[in-house]
Amino acid sequence: QKEVEQDPGPLSVPEGAIVSLNCTYSNSAFQYFMWYRQYSRKGPELLMYTYSSGNKEDGRFTAQVDKSSKYISLFIRDSQPSDSATYLCAMTVPTGGGNKLTFGTGTQLKVEL
Amino acid sequence: ETGVTQTPRHLVMGMTNKKSLKCEQHLGHNAMYWYKQSAKKPLELMFVYSLEERVENNSVPSRFSPECPNSSHLFLHLHTLQPEDSALYLCASSQDLFMTGGWQETQYFGPGTRLLVL
Repeated sequence: QKEVEQDPGPLSVPEGAIVSLNCTYSNSAFQYFMWYRQYSRKGPELLMYTYSSGNKEDGRFTAQVDKSSKYISLFIRDSQPSDSATYLCAMTVPTGGGNKLTFGTGTQLKVEL
Repeated sequence: ETGVTQTPRHLVMGMTNKKSLKCEQHLGHNAMYWYKQSAKKPLELMFVYSLEERVENNSVPSRFSPECPNSSHLFLHLHTLQPEDSALYLCASSQDLFMTGGWQETQYFGPGTRLLVL
C-alpha cells in the first residue's frame, strides 16, 4: 500500500465549478499537510499548508484535514482556467522527519471555458 | 534572478554520456534537495544537503552523484544512465532542514530539468 494515495485524474470541470481534490494516507504520524500546484513546465509551488485537523481558507481555496479518516481535501471555489494545473498533496511528520515530504502522485485538473 | 533556477531546462543524453545538472537558489536558504518526478509517480526524494553537507541519500544508484560546493549551488552529475532514468529532475531549497518555530520548513522548487536518456 502506498503511503499517500491520490487520484491522478485528469479531472475536467467547467469554469465556475467547485473542485474537490483529495488524498488519503496510511501513516497516522503525519501531522503537516500541504498542497502544491504545478503548472506545465514548471516546478511545484506551495499553495496551502495546514497543521493537524481542521480547515484553512485562503481566498478561493480551502484545505481540509480529517485525521480520523486519514483524508485531506483541497476545495477550489469559482474555478478559473488559470487553475488548470496538477495538484500535489504532500505531508510530513512533526519531528525527526528532517523536512522529508511524502507526496501523492498529483491530480491533473483542467478548467474549461 | 529570483527563487530557484535550474539549467539546462532540457537535456537529451546517450547512455554513455556524462552530463551535469545545475541548481542555484537566490533565497539565502541553507538546505537544498534533488527530486525525481516520473509520470504517474510521486516525487521521489534523491538527496538532501544542509549547509553543504549531505544528510540524506535515498538509495539512489551511484550513476547519480550530487555535489554542493556552497549553500547556493547544487549539482547532479550524471553518468552511464539508463532509459528508465528519463524524468523531470527538480531542485528545491528551504530556509533550514529541520522545523523552526513549530512549523515545517517550506520547500521552494525550481522549474526542473527534463531529461531524456536514449
